[in-house]
Amino acid sequence: QLQLPESGPGLVKPSETLSLSCSVPPGSITNNNYYWGWIRQPPGKGLEYIGHIYYTGSAYYNPSLKGRVTLSIDTSKNQFSLRLSSVTAADTAVYYCARVPHPLGSCSGATCFSFDSWGPGIVATVSS
Amino acid sequence: DVVLTQSPLSLPVTLGQPASISCRSSHGLAYGDGNTYLSWFQQRPGQSPRRLIYKVSNRDSGVPDRFSGSGSGTDFTLKISRVEAEDVGVYYCMQSTRWPPTFGQGTKVEIK
Repeated sequence: QLQLPESGPGLVKPSETLSLSCSVPPGSITNNNYYWGWIRQPPGKGLEYIGHIYYTGSAYYNPSLKGRVTLSIDTSKNQFSLRLSSVTAADTAVYYCARVPHPLGSCSGATCFSFDSWGPGIVATVSS
Repeated sequence: DVVLTQSPLSLPVTLGQPASISCRSSHGLAYGDGNTYLSWFQQRPGQSPRRLIYKVSNRDSGVPDRFSGSGSGTDFTLKISRVEAEDVGVYYCMQSTRWPPTFGQGTKVEIK
């Protein structure tokens, strides 16, 4: 299992921006067979796809997050990041980063993928 | 969005007995390339999810062969041939054939 530790502040105030990062083993973030993604899990609930990003910066976002999410990638630091703006209590969750193998070629970047390695998760709480 | 409906939501099982989880999709999940992008994940208590199965029936490396996936179109199944204590947890199906990707609501497997 790939080590993908998440990092970032555990507490964010309502209406502010949640920022999280995920560290990737050196050399793997530019592997053209993989995207890098984020998934979240509210307390006691199921999994929700947030988005995924390629090393070129090409990214896909869950429309349910209504433009509040931005993913970025820094290949020099072997990290990719999540920013979620205008947070509310509904954004309180465990946030997971994951590796996203993608077949390329026959599929668009938005489809035909899965999550084959997950980080341990980081709890993010929205509260004043 | 594609809705994945899992059943049952709770599955008490006797050790050594088989278990089966259904995942039904609101839309067909066959992609134009001939593949079906339906995965299964296991989440043990207090842990992050782990992928067990991808493209309906392909087992990930290190996953015991008592786990198997099957199905096509809109109906998919995860089977555990003989449940062991370490199989306790919540199981999720996920599709990425259609945008946006979606997860089922989860099935909790517990030992009777």
